[in-house]
Amino acid sequence: EDKVVQSPLSLVVHEGDTVTLNCSYEVTNFRSLLWYKQEKKAPTFLFMLTSSGIEKKSGRLSSILDKKELFSILNITATQTGDSAIYLCAVEAGGGSNYKLTFGKGTLLTVNP
Amino acid sequence: GAVVSQHPSWVICKSGTSVKIECRSLDFQATTMFWYRQFPKQSLMLMATSNEGSKATYEQGVEKDKFLINHASLTLSTLTVTSAHPEDSSFYICSATSGRAPEQYFGPGTRLTVT
Repeated sequence: EDKVVQSPLSLVVHEGDTVTLNCSYEVTNFRSLLWYKQEKKAPTFLFMLTSSGIEKKSGRLSSILDKKELFSILNITATQTGDSAIYLCAVEAGGGSNYKLTFGKGTLLTVNP
Repeated sequence: GAVVSQHPSWVICKSGTSVKIECRSLDFQATTMFWYRQFPKQSLMLMATSNEGSKATYEQGVEKDKFLINHASLTLSTLTVTSAHPEDSSFYICSATSGRAPEQYFGPGTRLTVT
């Protein structure tokens, strides 16, 4: 059974802090790892990672994948209250057309002013 | 691009009735659509995977007779919750993939409340 484990489950920080969210996985036939941000409704896509060691960056957010150690981190620098959300990590696995996303439980980030 | 819509966005129904939720890919052809269920502040739970023109593949523990999924075209999949009960109240989200790229594009979700 594919597993995706995120840590911490929740985190409270102050504006301006830097946070690191973790995602480890055990899957068969790994294809990609994706990070999502979920506020009120469906999660919105942040990053997709397929190769080890290549950092993806978008503004204050960045992420990197380690396929040897089977984990990924999501960094958020200079956090703002608008960053408060659940951050979901998902791993796509499987062969052919029979693939699916396995989600972690998410990290609930709260950024206080 | 890659917009997925769901209809309705929220619905309230009485216990024992059936509710149909539509998931549409608006600007691409979705070879595969996924239906998820989410409980408050928890991750999404995959319910089933549907490929256009074939029967849906249900995850373990999901009753296929209760959650009927139809993927009749490359742009439309429907989830029908039959004989709904209050415990079926949840947020249902669909996603779609074109098959050309692995990213799944999520719909905005449907909030179902069964009274």
